[in-house]
Amino acid sequence: EAGVAQSPRYKIIEKRQSVAFWCNPISGHATLYWYQQILGQGPKLLIQFQNNGVVDDSQLPKDRFSAERLKGVDSTLKIQPAKLEDSAVYLCASSLEGQSSYNEQFFGPGTRLTVL
Amino acid sequence: AQSVTQLGSHVSVSEGALVLLRCNYSSSVPPYLFWYVQYPNQGLQLLLKYTSAATLVKGINGFEAEFKKSETSFHLTKPSAHMSDAAEYFCAVRGLTYNQGGKLIFGQGTELSVKP
Repeated sequence: EAGVAQSPRYKIIEKRQSVAFWCNPISGHATLYWYQQILGQGPKLLIQFQNNGVVDDSQLPKDRFSAERLKGVDSTLKIQPAKLEDSAVYLCASSLEGQSSYNEQFFGPGTRLTVL
Repeated sequence: AQSVTQLGSHVSVSEGALVLLRCNYSSSVPPYLFWYVQYPNQGLQLLLKYTSAATLVKGINGFEAEFKKSETSFHLTKPSAHMSDAAEYFCAVRGLTYNQGGKLIFGQGTELSVKP
């Protein structure tokens, strides 16, 4: 079974530029999560999708971050414009279903973003 | 609201020695608790989980954890450390309120070093 795929693996940009990350979850997984992991900290949820609907985006800085999962499969996370403090690893995870029962979250390898 | 605190950002042990990584949780409801491991430049891998069944949970790679409600703890142990155990370890609790969905709330992580 293929795991969670993410691209690119690494990205270096200058502040005020835009960047986009892509995630393809495990086939059949209805729930998709984007986490931000700043160096020295644990991952923090940015946004959670159930199929193509948003369940939780309370921690997403909506003035600069956006995410979509139009067909309920793969997802894109965008930052526009980027700030220095956005330097982090962006992790995508997926699970069979995320709310009413527990299902393991499977994580992708992450995208390491460096903002100069 | 749920939260976890990991005591000690760095732990160093000798190969063959006991590994003990500490995690305390805060939760107003019976929690679901997890330990994840992260190797350099990789995503997170589930080591073990507690979902209100047996209080002593066995995971992969010889790790286990014991849920102690009276101490609000979920410490991770392994009787004999191996060089390959060197990694970052994260304790997490599952958000259970409706608007938290199934997201994971992580501690800040503990880096484990294993000396030959």
